[in-house]
Amino acid sequence: DIVLTQSPASLAVSLGQRATISCRASQSVSTSSYSYMHWYQQKPGQPPKLLIKYASNLESGVPARFSGSGSGTDFTLNIHPVEEEDTATYYCQHSWEIPWTFGGGTKLEIK
Amino acid sequence: EVKLLESGGGLVQPGGSLKLSCAASGFDFSRYWMSWVRQAPGKGLEWIGEINPDSSTINYTPSLKDKFIISRDNAKNTLYLQMSKVRSEDTALYYCARGAAYYRYLFAYWGQGTLVTVSA
Repeated sequence: DIVLTQSPASLAVSLGQRATISCRASQSVSTSSYSYMHWYQQKPGQPPKLLIKYASNLESGVPARFSGSGSGTDFTLNIHPVEEEDTATYYCQHSWEIPWTFGGGTKLEIK
Repeated sequence: EVKLLESGGGLVQPGGSLKLSCAASGFDFSRYWMSWVRQAPGKGLEWIGEINPDSSTINYTPSLKDKFIISRDNAKNTLYLQMSKVRSEDTALYYCARGAAYYRYLFAYWGQGTLVTVSA
């Protein structure tokens, strides 16, 4: 199974600043054309919400302050400027091979 | 509007069995891959497995393959998860999820989950 390691496990960012979340895969999940890495946001008491697909493509309706980047084994989710409503736990997920797996999550707090 | 509504959770004794359901509406259920994902209290997400539209292909996370059986009834627009030989570590919120069109691994729609508690 591909293991996804997220860092940090938690972070606190001041309102209006940048939040950066990393996800490292145990093997490459990219081809020359696509990276099979996706990002979800989960707010307390809610199911996850798909934010970004294929490393950098925002899902419809997701604010442009969210962005994703990376390829191979290293991926990043950026949120800038952070807003109060971004308080949530963020998960990466790969779709390179079965089984699909998720990272352990990064809990974001807005100061 | 796509809706997924899980049910069937509750308290089950260690070693017992339970069958969860996920009622789908607002889309042509018979055309989509469906998945089950679970989340232990305060923990992260774990993909359990998926089933294709005509039930001819079912994939599982290998470590859970002997514990769960995924099935569906397209006539009833319902997805199922049969759990067996449950243990305390199976205590979790169980979600059903639908993939995006053409991309079964992009979980664009989720239910609210049904809680399974394994305890004597």
